Amino acid sequence: DTGVSQNPRHKITKRGQNVTFRCDPISEHNRLYWYRQTLGQGPEFLTYFQNEAQLEKSRLLSDRFSAERPKGSFSTLEIQRTEQGDSAMYLCASSLPWTGGGYTFGSGTRLTVV
Amino acid sequence: KQEVTQIPAALSVPEGENLVLNCSFTDSAIYNLQWFRQDPGKGLTSLLLIQSSQREQTSGRLNASLDKSSGRSTLYIAASQPGDSATYLCAVMGHFGNEKLTFGTGTRLTIIP
Repeated sequence: DTGVSQNPRHKITKRGQNVTFRCDPISEHNRLYWYRQTLGQGPEFLTYFQNEAQLEKSRLLSDRFSAERPKGSFSTLEIQRTEQGDSAMYLCASSLPWTGGGYTFGSGTRLTVV
Repeated sequence: KQEVTQIPAALSVPEGENLVLNCSFTDSAIYNLQWFRQDPGKGLTSLLLIQSSQREQTSGRLNASLDKSSGRSTLYIAASQPGDSATYLCAVMGHFGNEKLTFGTGTRLTIIP
């Protein structure tokens, strides 16, 4: 297992298009998180899953955003009708629940909306 | 609402010097605190994790301390090297029911050869 994998690494899209990102967590981690980071800021929480259940969603996650984790393995984050304000780095992380262990982050997907 | 502040926002030091990065948080009811490193355009690499019951953690030239009651943590880097140049982020995790990380805005560190 080589860690948390995110694809694609970069995505350029036109405003109004839909985009989907994928995250493959560390196989034994049943918690999966999505964060968004804009330039010069720290990452902000979007949502997280335990297995296939989505346990929490941030108010940052508007109706245009949807995340899924079918079968409790990989996760997808879809943004519909993209806006320029959606341009950011989208980071995925995984962890074990309440073992005191930290997060392992992926390399992120950089989204640019033009 | 938990707020995390990192000071300074940017720091430049000559190679070989020891340095301290600061992190403060407003709600002391944390489960743990984690320091990350981020290179430009890249993801986050975990450096040190301190549980709320611990006072410090060490890894190589890095030492992180935690004073939960005062809401402060420091990251000490000894004998800095140009390869240490990066943005350093601290993040706190809440307790059960609030299990997400809240990040500071980071300190951008430049080590001058």
